Amino acid sequence: RKEVEQDPGPFNVPEGATVAFNCTYSNSASQSFFWYRQDCRKEPKLLMSVYSSGNEDGRFTAQLNRASQYISLLIRDSKLSDSATYLCVVNPRTSGTYKYIFGTGTRLKVLA
Amino acid sequence: NAGVTQTPKFQVLKTGQSMTLQCAQDMNHNSMYWYRQDPGMGLRLIYYSASEGTTDKGEVPNGYNVSRLNKREFSLRLESAAPSQTSVYFCASSVWEPGNTIYFGEGSWLTVV
Repeated sequence: RKEVEQDPGPFNVPEGATVAFNCTYSNSASQSFFWYRQDCRKEPKLLMSVYSSGNEDGRFTAQLNRASQYISLLIRDSKLSDSATYLCVVNPRTSGTYKYIFGTGTRLKVLA
Repeated sequence: NAGVTQTPKFQVLKTGQSMTLQCAQDMNHNSMYWYRQDPGMGLRLIYYSASEGTTDKGEVPNGYNVSRLNKREFSLRLESAAPSQTSVYFCASSVWEPGNTIYFGEGSWLTVV
């Protein structure tokens, strides 16, 4: 089982739609969680961190479910500019070291 | 507003040639990383350096070596390039604590023919 798993998509949605992605992780001792966005042929960039109580940043809402070991990202009122690959990132604590484990990404296409 | 800078951006190598990818960060981060990204495989950690003076293997270290030259710089060397090393390479840095953001360079596109 991969440490971090995501549905690769693509998710094709019309402008204005709401779309949600999930990401599951295997290490129950994981400390921190993030969503990154990656545009084609570009580097990944932080979209938002994910906090235990859930958090929102404009049209984006992130949730963490530690019991079921998944995080989610909800995008409301999708824009064409939201088209990208969304990477789930987990910070597991293993033997006192901290690494960033990346999912393979979920591709989103927002259609006009 | 440099952040993480890596060079070169594009490189074509012949099988068996060697080369070094350079990376520097100006954010005073103590930790630096090299990842490779291949279609369908996601980002895979090659080597990382938790702090100046230390380096450790990641998930896919074979065929690579690294040097943490100082706090700012972390280089990746391919001693004898193979076609399987054709990939996009990303250097990254962070503060070595949970919850801190990892920042990436713009990537280096390497083709081995």
